[in-house]
Amino acid sequence: KNQVEQSPQSLIILEGKNCTLQCNYTVSPFSNLRWYKQDTGRGPVSLTIMTFSENTKSNGRYTATLDADTKQSSLHITASQLSDSASYICVVRAGGGADGLTFGKGTHLIIQP
Amino acid sequence: DAEITQSPRHKITETGRQVTLACHQTWNHNNMFWYRQDLGHGLRLIHYSYGVQDTNKGEVSDGYSVSRSNTEDLPLTLESAASSQTSVYFCASSGGLAGGPLGNEQFFGPGTRLTVL
Repeated sequence: KNQVEQSPQSLIILEGKNCTLQCNYTVSPFSNLRWYKQDTGRGPVSLTIMTFSENTKSNGRYTATLDADTKQSSLHITASQLSDSASYICVVRAGGGADGLTFGKGTHLIIQP
Repeated sequence: DAEITQSPRHKITETGRQVTLACHQTWNHNNMFWYRQDLGHGLRLIHYSYGVQDTNKGEVSDGYSVSRSNTEDLPLTLESAASSQTSVYFCASSGGLAGGPLGNEQFFGPGTRLTVL
C-alpha cells in the first residue's frame, strides 16, 4: 500500500530560525512529489513540485530536496517568519489518475516571536 | 482572477438529513475532486471527475455522491448524514490530463466545515 510518512508531527521554533521537515514515502511507481502549505482555515497551496530527476528546488525561503533512491524528501525553511506558521503537507503521485495521489498527515509548524 | 469557491463555509445538520456542499471553479479545469480532512488523517479522496458527465469513486466514497453537469461545478451530496461525516471538506480542481507527467497542480477551495449532530 502506498504510504507517505511525515515528521515531526508538530514543531515549534523561534522566529528567524531555520527548520527542516521530513517526508518518507513508499509510493510506486513514483511520478512526482509536492509540498503544500496549509494555513489555518484555508485550503492547501502548492509550494513546490519535485520530479524524479530533480534533487533540489527552491521557492524563496523554502527549499525542497528529493532523494529518489531512499524515497525521502525534505522541506527546509530559512529565516522563519510568523507567516510560516501552518501545516505542511507532502503529497506523492504514483503514475496516472487522481487516485494516484497519496497525502501525508502533515507537519504542524508554529513560529513563535 | 480565476478561483475555486465552496459554499457554505460552515454547516450544521442533523443525522439522517441530506446535505449538499457546493464547489464552483472558474479555472475552466477539466478535473475536480472532493476530499475530507480529519485530525490524524491526511486528506482523503471522496469522489473525482475528469470532465462533464464523468464521476469516479475515491478512497472514502460510501455515503457520498457527486454529479458533473457542467465544467464549473461539482456538488457533493451526503445522502443521509451521519456523525462520522463530521469533517472539513475540500474541493480541488486541476487542468490538463489528470494522468499527465507532472500530475497537474490541484488548486484547493477554502473548505466547508460540516458538523453532523
